[in-house]
Amino acid sequence: GQQLNQSPQSMFIQEGEDVSMNCTSSSIFNTWLWYKQDPGEGPVLLIALYKAGELTSNGRLTAQFGITRKDSFLNISASIPSDVGIYFCAGPGAGANNLFFGTGTRLTVIP
Amino acid sequence: DARVTQTPRHKVTEMGQEVTMRCQPILGHNTVFWYRQTMMQGLELLAYFRNRAPLDDSGMPKDRFSAEMPDATLATLKIQPSEPRDSAVYFCASGWFGASGAFFGQGTRLTVV
Repeated sequence: GQQLNQSPQSMFIQEGEDVSMNCTSSSIFNTWLWYKQDPGEGPVLLIALYKAGELTSNGRLTAQFGITRKDSFLNISASIPSDVGIYFCAGPGAGANNLFFGTGTRLTVIP
Repeated sequence: DARVTQTPRHKVTEMGQEVTMRCQPILGHNTVFWYRQTMMQGLELLAYFRNRAPLDDSGMPKDRFSAEMPDATLATLKIQPSEPRDSAVYFCASGWFGASGAFFGQGTRLTVV
């Protein structure tokens, strides 16, 4: 199946700091998605990217579709305690309509 | 407020018992996914359907797992017989074929003892 590797695996940051995480794939993707999962809940879609080089923002979140189409990046500016959770990248695999998830980045924000 | 509904939210069962998890996708969505989440394996895609037809269930152990969509408002995932290693959170998600993204339910936390 698809290999989506995320780094870092976990992060501990102070409230107010900026956060960067990335996701790399073993194959080219045509779409990149970023999800956040709160404890006890299902993942929620944050940002969708459809074109190589695309940069998209959603509030304090900014995501980029890497120009190689094998990677994507998510930045969170001025982190707040409610940013705590697991962030997943995801994308359709070879079947184009399935949806594979990365290994996740667990974010902890220290007030 | 449209959402994916999963039942039950929690299930504790003994090894060897049959487990059935249910999912009501968002009305109008034509693609349904089943995922399993564990600490070790992350979010694994088990199966997905388009217009109620199974497109891929290669992620599912075939000998004990089965997934069906008896109608457009219900997807089921069955495990028979269940084993302790099946303990995980099982998520259902729905979306549109050919479009990106999927909307997740709150999951069923399964514990097999």
